Amino acid sequence: NAGVTQTPKFRILKIGQSMTLQCTQDMNHNYMYWYRQDPGMGLKLIYYSVGAGITDKGEVPNGYNVSRSTTEDFPLRLELAAPSQTSVYFCASSYSGTGSAYEQYFGPGTRLTVT
Amino acid sequence: AQSVTQLDSHVSVSEGTPVLLRCNYSSSYSPSLFWYVQHPNKGLQLLLKYTSAATLVKGINGFEAEFKKSETSFHLTKPSAHMSDAAEYFCVVSVRSQGNLIFGKGTKLSVKP
Repeated sequence: NAGVTQTPKFRILKIGQSMTLQCTQDMNHNYMYWYRQDPGMGLKLIYYSVGAGITDKGEVPNGYNVSRSTTEDFPLRLELAAPSQTSVYFCASSYSGTGSAYEQYFGPGTRLTVT
Repeated sequence: AQSVTQLDSHVSVSEGTPVLLRCNYSSSYSPSLFWYVQHPNKGLQLLLKYTSAATLVKGINGFEAEFKKSETSFHLTKPSAHMSDAAEYFCVVSVRSQGNLIFGKGTKLSVKP
């Protein structure tokens, strides 16, 4: 049982480049999330999904896109990378959604630098 | 609106002494509250959670937290710090009407030998 896995671990992008951050979970969780963590700050929600085919914006969605074609996978796409997107990105999953007792399980993170 | 305030950005203790990390929350609903720990260059790990059952919650590695509704607090404690406790700790509230968790800004715990 691997839990939540993310690839790559590190990436350096030039301004304007595009990339996809991969996230996979093997716990059969319905809910999946993408967060970013900036230095000295807590995590902020980018997008989330309550099941395959359903996604919704979080607090900071601009500059990102997501898709959820399967229960297991929830990739995050950066179309035109900007320096403001330099951050550590965490993917998470949970059995149920908010207001419930079901905690979120986090991946190890992807450290992205845009120069 | 829901919010979380961690009252200390950095706490330093000596090994073997008690740990207190403070957290206040604001929520329109009965909240679910969590403490997560993040070791350097690692993902987040759940320490403990409050879900409207017992107000004193015990977690992993000897940590516990007490939910005090009258004070809107959920402070994290440990009787005796260990060097391996050095990490960043996040207090988190679950938002019922939205699909996300609200994170505090974190408290960095340093443990001196």
